[in-house]
Amino acid sequence: EVQLVESGGGLVQPGGSLRLSCAASGFTFSSYAMSWVRQAPGKGLELVSVISGSDSTTYYADSVKGRFTISRDNSKNTLYVQMRSLRAEDTAVYYCAKALTFDFTMVVLALDSWGQGTLVTVSS
Amino acid sequence: DIQMTQSPSSLSASVGDRVTITCRASQTISRHLNWYQQKPGKAPKLLISAASSLQSGVPSRFSGSGSGTDFTLTISSLQPEDFATYFCHQTYTTPFTFGPGTKVVI
Repeated sequence: EVQLVESGGGLVQPGGSLRLSCAASGFTFSSYAMSWVRQAPGKGLELVSVISGSDSTTYYADSVKGRFTISRDNSKNTLYVQMRSLRAEDTAVYYCAKALTFDFTMVVLALDSWGQGTLVTVSS
Repeated sequence: DIQMTQSPSSLSASVGDRVTITCRASQTISRHLNWYQQKPGKAPKLLISAASSLQSGVPSRFSGSGSGTDFTLTISSLQPEDFATYFCHQTYTTPFTFGPGTKVVI
């Protein structure tokens, strides 16, 4: 059974940093692209970042480009996102999600397994 | 950027009803369109990928169709557990954008 468990969320001041982690199990982690999707309170979904299985290809939403860095450690079956220069508008539940495919370019990027989410609150 | 719209934004239905949700892209996205279901306080769940491919374990009352710019999600006979919010998501070109969602209520 696929399991994705996020951690690292919490309250942070504007301008601060936070690193989220996602521990994966139940599948061959290195064989799939992974992503972070966020949802602000009462709002819709935003695909924040994606990384290919080999971590050679990444994608960032314009709203986080230059501030967030996605990475993965295939030896530890763990996905990360380092978030810097956080803003109030980054407040959201952050979900880790597994893709159906190894890569996400030239294919349909579909996210077939999701974690329970971790809440990030940016506030003074 | 490709804009995704969904209609209706919410709908009221009864158990047993046939429900159709429409998703429209501002430009062609081929069949790079997925549908997700989200219940309150829960993570989204993938229902349909590539416009019409039903995910394993998803009941056959769910179906997807369309290509280019116009897509539909159909629930042939609404069940109590189907009351939720449904999102479409294009992954044809960056930025990969979600639709605003359609809330299905009793």
